[in-house]
Amino acid sequence: QQQVKQSPQSLIVQKGGISIINCAYENTAFDYFPWYQQFPGKGPALLIAIRPDVSEKKEGRFTISFNKSAKQFSLHIMDSQPGDSATYFCAASKPGNQFYFGTGTSLTVIP
Amino acid sequence: DTGVSQDPRHKITKRGQNVTFRCDPISEHNRLYWYRQTLGQGPEFLTYFQNEAQLEKSRLLSDRFSAERPKGSFSTLEIQRTEQGDSAMYLCASRLTGSSGNTIYFGEGSWLTVV
Repeated sequence: QQQVKQSPQSLIVQKGGISIINCAYENTAFDYFPWYQQFPGKGPALLIAIRPDVSEKKEGRFTISFNKSAKQFSLHIMDSQPGDSATYFCAASKPGNQFYFGTGTSLTVIP
Repeated sequence: DTGVSQDPRHKITKRGQNVTFRCDPISEHNRLYWYRQTLGQGPEFLTYFQNEAQLEKSRLLSDRFSAERPKGSFSTLEIQRTEQGDSAMYLCASRLTGSSGNTIYFGEGSWLTVV
């Protein structure tokens, strides 16, 4: 079964707008929640990650919001740019264990 | 380039043939993962190694699939008697356990097309 559920499947945002991608998980043993960015024909690249002891982490235009009680986390891309057009994957892992990935969100930023 | 390296990047094979992919992880990374990704899906876990020991295998890894990491450095993933359903991108990733964070670093992937 899908360990991490991601939505939406696709997203179209105007340049300068905010892109928001959501993920939910069930396993409370997960302790690391990264987001990966993937361009066509390339492998996923780590964008930003968070642990459940903090509710928010910001790096430049990218912010993760984490809601431990709801078992949800989201990626916010501020001031979205055409160069941000890519597929984004959320993931979750348990200590020393494999990573479980969401099904991905295809983001298109319109100039 | 000190990232995760995968070879070949693309492979087209006829159904029933065997194929082998190689992964060179980031130097000194002791953990190595294999994932499979199909179009429109996220990476799906296949197996991982801690040094040369294969610690976990997914149910996705049928008996036609075998992975090795003989000296705890590079790894190979072999698919025997390929089927059209094996067509996918095979991703390798590595990390250093004990370091801060759990980050795994992916290679560029090996695309397999079975015709």
